[in-house]
Order: sequence, then structure tokens, then C-alpha cells
Amino acid sequence: DQQVKQNSPSLSVQEGRISILNCDYTNSMFDYFLWYKKYPAEGPTFLISISSIKDKNEDGRFTVFLNKSAKHLSLHIVPSQPGDSAVYFCAASAWGSQGNLIFGKGTKLSVKP
Amino acid sequence: EAQVTQNPRYLITVTGKKLTVTCSQNMNHEYMSWYRQDPGLGLRQIYYSMNVEVTDKGDVPEGYKVSRKEKRNFPLILESPSPNQTSLYFCASSLFRGGNEKLFFGSGTQLSVL
Repeated sequence: DQQVKQNSPSLSVQEGRISILNCDYTNSMFDYFLWYKKYPAEGPTFLISISSIKDKNEDGRFTVFLNKSAKHLSLHIVPSQPGDSAVYFCAASAWGSQGNLIFGKGTKLSVKP
Repeated sequence: EAQVTQNPRYLITVTGKKLTVTCSQNMNHEYMSWYRQDPGLGLRQIYYSMNVEVTDKGDVPEGYKVSRKEKRNFPLILESPSPNQTSLYFCASSLFRGGNEKLFFGSGTQLSVL
């Protein structure tokens, strides 16, 4: 059973507009969430994270929102730039899980000029 | 430069021929892990290591072995590769356990088993 779900395999956005990537989870024990970005032929790189004690974390153009009651988080990119075109993975972990980070399947974002 | 280095980047082999994918990090990280990425399945953890001589299974450990004799190295061993192990493999490390620590990933190894 998939514990971290990214239901949109792809998303296309116009440059300058907002990109919203969504992620749902089923395990109520998850207490830390991360977003990774992956370009072709490269490994994933850490983008932003949020602890379950918060509902929002912001870093420049990137903001992650966490809705614990809905078991849902989202990544907002404002404004979107062509260089943001990549695959974005949502990941989650539970304290005491011995380091097992559970990843979603990823969403491919295309930002068109 | 802080990095996780995997070798080789590309590997084509035949069924049953033992192979090793190397992984090395220069950040003095305690935690290291191997993932495989398959189309439609995302990243799945194979094995991880909390420190030297401490390893444990991830979600998809069958057909793989690992060792952690030194802090910086965490090789992935396929004793008898099979076609279903054709995949893109990533090694990753973090300072401590990988839960709420951000992971640093290598550039990946594309393995094809014929």
C-alpha cells in the first residue's frame, strides 16, 4: 500500500505563474516531510522540508503547506521559472523509523516560457 | 566539494554475473542508503546503514547485499543479477539518521541486466 501519494504524474505551468504540487499520505505517524527536486541524469536534491508541528515553511520562491487533518501537503513555487522544470518527489518519515524515508512517485513539472 | 560519488554511471551486464556498485561520501556522514528508481514506482529503499558495521533492510532488499566497513563507503552488491534488477540506482547519505535529515544523493547508476 502506497503511504505517500503524488497523484499527478505531470504538471505544466506558464512561466511567472504559480506551480502547486500536491502530496497525500496515509501514515499518521509521519512527522517530517521533505521535497526533493530531480533533473535528468542527476540525483535528487533537497528542496524544502516541514515538521509536523508547523503548517507552513517558506524558502524564497518555495513554500510548503501541511494540512495534518487532511494528511495533505503541497509545494507552491511562485513565480515559476523554466529552470524549475524537473521531477519533484514528496517524502515522509516517522520518528523512530530508523531512517526509512518514504518517497512518492514524483510529479514532472514543466514550466513553459 | 561535498559530494556522494557513485561508480559506474552506466553498467550493462548479463544475468548471473556478480557486480558491485560503489558509493563514497566525503562529508563524514553516519547514515547511508541505497535506492532504486523505476518508472511509475518512484524511489524505493533497498538497504541502509546507520553507521559502520550497522546495516538493515529497506523496502526492496531481495537480491542485494551491502557492507559498511568504513564510514565513507557503502557498496551495493548484486551476487546474481536478474533482469528485474534493471533500474536506476541512487546512493544517498546524511549526517545522522535519514528521517528528518536531508539526504545528499549521488548522480545515479543506470544498470541494465540482459
